[in-house]
Amino acid sequence: DAKTTQPPSMDCAEGRAANLPCNHSTISGNEYVYWYRQIHSQGPQYIIHGLKNNETNEMASLIITEDRKSSTLILPHATLRDTAVYYCIVRLNYGGSQGNLIFGKGTKLSVKP
Amino acid sequence: GAGVSQTPSNKVTEKGKYVELRCDPISGHTALYWYRQSLGQGPEFLIYFQGTGAADDSGLPNDRFFAVRPEGSVSTLKIQRTERGDSAVYLCASSLTGGPVNEQFFGPGTRLTVL
Repeated sequence: DAKTTQPPSMDCAEGRAANLPCNHSTISGNEYVYWYRQIHSQGPQYIIHGLKNNETNEMASLIITEDRKSSTLILPHATLRDTAVYYCIVRLNYGGSQGNLIFGKGTKLSVKP
Repeated sequence: GAGVSQTPSNKVTEKGKYVELRCDPISGHTALYWYRQSLGQGPEFLIYFQGTGAADDSGLPNDRFFAVRPEGSVSTLKIQRTERGDSAVYLCASSLTGGPVNEQFFGPGTRLTVL
């Protein structure tokens, strides 16, 4: 089962920041937080990941709380093309299953004009 | 450069038939993953290859499902005696290595429909 909890859907106005929350209260010290998104009829696309510190790349920013029990993905200026399902994933660091991703149902983000 | 490709893009078969789904990973990627996605759900892990060997096949639902990667590049997912419940999008992903900090690049998927 997925170790994360996300709201099933969110709306955002085009040009505004989209803030997508994720709860991962059972995260352990060696687990990373990953975000992927899936645009309709495409395979998932990597966005960003982090362990403890906040991270930023050309796509988004990831804010992780100090206790690491929750995080927020921020799309600073949402466009219509950002409409997708966003998945927050906690990923194991060691062990035989270190490769696979465990997806939940994600958050369906709808960016509206 | 070329991304992960999967063939066919769509496959319609009849209950009880055998199907093979192909994945061509990004060149040089040693890790390859298969996932299955049912309508309205997130992708579900099936199997993970590191090189030619299956490092983790715990997600395969039963012995009708089998996957190979004989030369450490192309992989084939094989489903015997297909059932209507096998209908889903089958996604393949690859990453440079199998560690946790390597992003997985996904293909567009193969939509399998079992009639």
